[in-house]
Amino acid sequence: DAGVTQSPTHLIKTRGQQVTLRCSPKSGHDTVSWYQQALGQGPQFIFQYYEEEERQRGNFPDRFSGHQFPNYSSELNVNALLLGDSALYLCASSLPERGKTQYFGPGTRLLVL
Amino acid sequence: AQSVTQPDIHITVSEGASLELRCNYSYGATPYLFWYVQSPGQGLQLLLKYFSGDTLVQGIKGFEAEFKRSQSSFNLRKPSVHWSDAAEYFCAVGLNNDMRFGAGTRLTVKP
Repeated sequence: DAGVTQSPTHLIKTRGQQVTLRCSPKSGHDTVSWYQQALGQGPQFIFQYYEEEERQRGNFPDRFSGHQFPNYSSELNVNALLLGDSALYLCASSLPERGKTQYFGPGTRLLVL
Repeated sequence: AQSVTQPDIHITVSEGASLELRCNYSYGATPYLFWYVQSPGQGLQLLLKYFSGDTLVQGIKGFEAEFKRSQSSFNLRKPSVHWSDAAEYFCAVGLNNDMRFGAGTRLTVKP
């Protein structure tokens, strides 16, 4: 049973560029959430996708956007990158009901120079 | 303000000693509660969770946690720590569709 997978594992970008990160959920899961984890901090919720719609959003600017595909996989897009966007980006999948356990992927480490 | 607090940034214990990691939350209703572990450069692995019922929950790798409503706490314990337990531990609260995490506690295990 494949768990949550993310690609790429590492990425280096420069300020002002755009980046796309990808996530495939655990088998049987249809809900995908994205988190940003800055160095030395806990993960911060960016948004959640269910039925190809953004269901809830955390306190992140519109530069952060996403998409969910019919096969439940998801993308996170970040435009106009800032140095402060450097972080580990984690994807988590779950079933849609409230409080369902979220299972995390290994993350994509983004470095913005 | 709603929050998850892990008071200890860093804890060092000797291998074989007992461990308790503290977690306090500040939310109106009893939330869903989780403990995750993160090894360096890795994602988060679920150790255990509490939704309702028995307030003492058992998890993987010999960990357990106790929910105390009166103290708004969900502390993680292990009777005998192994060197492989060295990692970052995160307490989290499950809300409507998102999770709120504490800042984490880094565990170092001395030989």
